[in-house]
Amino acid sequence: DAGVIQSPRHEVTEMGQEVTLRCKPISGHDYLFWYRQTMMRGLELLIYFNNNVPIDDSGMPEDRFSAKMPNASFSTLKIQPSEPRDSAVYFCASSLVAGDSYEQYFGPGTRLTVT
Amino acid sequence: DAKTTQPTSMDCAEGRAANLPCNHSTISGNEYVYWYRQIHSQGPQYIIHGLKNNETNEMASLIITEDRKSSTLILPHATLRDTAVYYCIVRSRVPGGYQKVTFGTGTKLQVIP
Repeated sequence: DAGVIQSPRHEVTEMGQEVTLRCKPISGHDYLFWYRQTMMRGLELLIYFNNNVPIDDSGMPEDRFSAKMPNASFSTLKIQPSEPRDSAVYFCASSLVAGDSYEQYFGPGTRLTVT
Repeated sequence: DAKTTQPTSMDCAEGRAANLPCNHSTISGNEYVYWYRQIHSQGPQYIIHGLKNNETNEMASLIITEDRKSSTLILPHATLRDTAVYYCIVRSRVPGGYQKVTFGTGTKLQVIP
């Protein structure tokens, strides 16, 4: 398996522009997570899905952020409009909850810079 | 989830065992101990987890004290590629479900040549 795939790996955009981050989870995994990592706040969970349904979006910072999972193999995180404080590394992770196992497998991340 | 406490940073000589401690004194009976690591510029990577018995896999060993208030992750022969931030997390078992966890700040392990 190729692991969790994220695109783009790097994104530089100007303030006010729309940004869309993409994620392909590991095939067969039933949970998908979006995280944001900054030096100041560390690794924060933004939202997670179970079987394509959003379960908890309490970590989404504000209405400018939205996430979708139209099918089991694809998810997007959109920021509209983007602001400089959104600059961070965004990670997608997936997991197959089975028995006592809750390992999450992370993608390589998207480094977002908003100028 | 129970709160964890880890040293901010540690050094280890290449080829020696790296022992990374974690304190989780408020852990409850149904909470597991998980370890992840994050190598610079990469996503976090799962290492190992356990409930009360010691565990070993191809990456590391996990030693959990009898009272479960602390644990130690052991990398038996550290290499330069083990330089990373190591996160200790405790999480409940939720049958058929998932519980949010907080990664915290972790321990920055520097393996020295």
